[in-house]
Amino acid sequence: AQKITQTQPGMFVQEKEAVTLDCTYDTSDQSYGLFWYKQPSSGEMIFLIYQGSYDEQNATEGRYSLNFQKARKSANLVISASQLGDSAMYFCAMRDGYSTLTFGKGTMLLVSP
Amino acid sequence: DAEITQSPRHKITETGRQVTLACHQTWNHNNMFWYRQDLGHGLRLIHYSYGVQDTNKGEVSDGYSVSRSNTEDLPLTLESAASSQTSVYFCASSESTRHNEQFFGPGTRLTVL
Repeated sequence: AQKITQTQPGMFVQEKEAVTLDCTYDTSDQSYGLFWYKQPSSGEMIFLIYQGSYDEQNATEGRYSLNFQKARKSANLVISASQLGDSAMYFCAMRDGYSTLTFGKGTMLLVSP
Repeated sequence: DAEITQSPRHKITETGRQVTLACHQTWNHNNMFWYRQDLGHGLRLIHYSYGVQDTNKGEVSDGYSVSRSNTEDLPLTLESAASSQTSVYFCASSESTRHNEQFFGPGTRLTVL
C-alpha cells in the first residue's frame, strides 16, 4: 500500500503568490515524522521542513510552512510569496520506522514571472 | 564543513559488469542510505546501515549489495549490472536520533547499456 501520496504531478503559480502542495500519508504508528525536500533542476536534494507527529504547532521555516492535519493524515507544504527559484520538484516523505524514509512521487512546481 | 560526496558522478557501463558506487560522509553519522530515483517513482530505498558492520535491505534491494567497514563509507555494488538498473543513485546520511533529517549526496547517474 502506498504510504505517501502526492496527487499533483505538476503545479503552476505566479511569482509572489502562495501555493500549496498536497501530501497525504498512511501509517499505523503513533510516532512518525514528515519531511519535505526540494529537488531543483540541478538534481540535489534539499531538506526544507520537518513535522513530528506529536508537534502541536505547524512547522515553519521562512517562507515554508507545513499544514499538518493529523486526523486527515495530511501534511501539505505551503510556500508563501513564490519566487522564480522555487521552480523545482518537491517530495514529501515520511519516517514511521526508526530512520528510513518513504517518499512520494513528487510534485513539479513551476513559478512564472 | 561536513559533507557527503558520491563518486563517480556519471558512469556508463555494460550489462553484466560489476559496478561500485562510492559514498563518503564527513558528518560522522551512524545512519547511511542508498536510494534510486526513477521517473514516476520518486526515491526508493535500496539498502541502509545503522552503523559499522550493519546492513539492511530496502524496498528495491535485488541485484545490489552494500558493506559498512567504517563510519564514513557505504559503497553500493551492482553485482551484474542490468539495463533496469539505469537510474540516478543518491546516498544519504543522518544522525541516530529518530527524527533527524537525511542529508543527501549530489547523486550518481548510472547508465547500463
